[in-house]
Amino acid sequence: SQELEQSPQSLIVQEGKNLTINCTSSKTLYGLYWYKQKYGEGLIFLMMLQKGGEEKSHEKITAKLDEKKQQSSLHITASQPSHAGIYLCGADLRGNKLVFGAGTILRVKS
Amino acid sequence: GAGVSQSPSNKVTEKGKDVELRCDPISGHTALYWYRQSLGQGLEFLIYFQGNSAPDKSGLPSDRFSAERTGGSVSTLTIQRTQQEDSAVYLCASSSWTGREETQYFGPGTRLLVL
Repeated sequence: SQELEQSPQSLIVQEGKNLTINCTSSKTLYGLYWYKQKYGEGLIFLMMLQKGGEEKSHEKITAKLDEKKQQSSLHITASQPSHAGIYLCGADLRGNKLVFGAGTILRVKS
Repeated sequence: GAGVSQSPSNKVTEKGKDVELRCDPISGHTALYWYRQSLGQGLEFLIYFQGNSAPDKSGLPSDRFSAERTGGSVSTLTIQRTQQEDSAVYLCASSSWTGREETQYFGPGTRLLVL
């Protein structure tokens, strides 16, 4: 079983719709990272959350960290085709290395 | 640009051959990581370098895998006697620990296909 579970595994949304991706850890989170991977490209850092209750936004993407639930959610408002890609959460579970979820494939239909 | 670069971008090799993958981290970053992303799976940690400390090799899947980092900068991941299950995207990341937080910046990856 994975230490980080992401859901859903894949998502198809109509352009303009909102969506949420979740990342749940089986262990205490010391830092939670969200990355986006476009097809054929490397990982792009989106944001990092460290404190419980912390919420960060970048353009139309907002991420929150629920420390008690050991969970983070990534919310995209008014999705655009440019949001399509694979979203990965990575967590610092202590050990100088990140553990990653399996990723969520997002497709946005025009 | 000043990001992490990797070479080659794609590599096709025959089973049993050795391959070398290169990573140029962001200048000044003291930490360097290698990860592997196999088809249908999440990212898998391989090895971590931090400054002059002994590397954390705990993620290397077998003794056919090795990595070195010369001069605290460029790193080379070597896979000896490649097997088909070694086919994956190999990602390198570098980071700078500020004392409060660390953000890893990833390279574009090397896509390795072992025939």
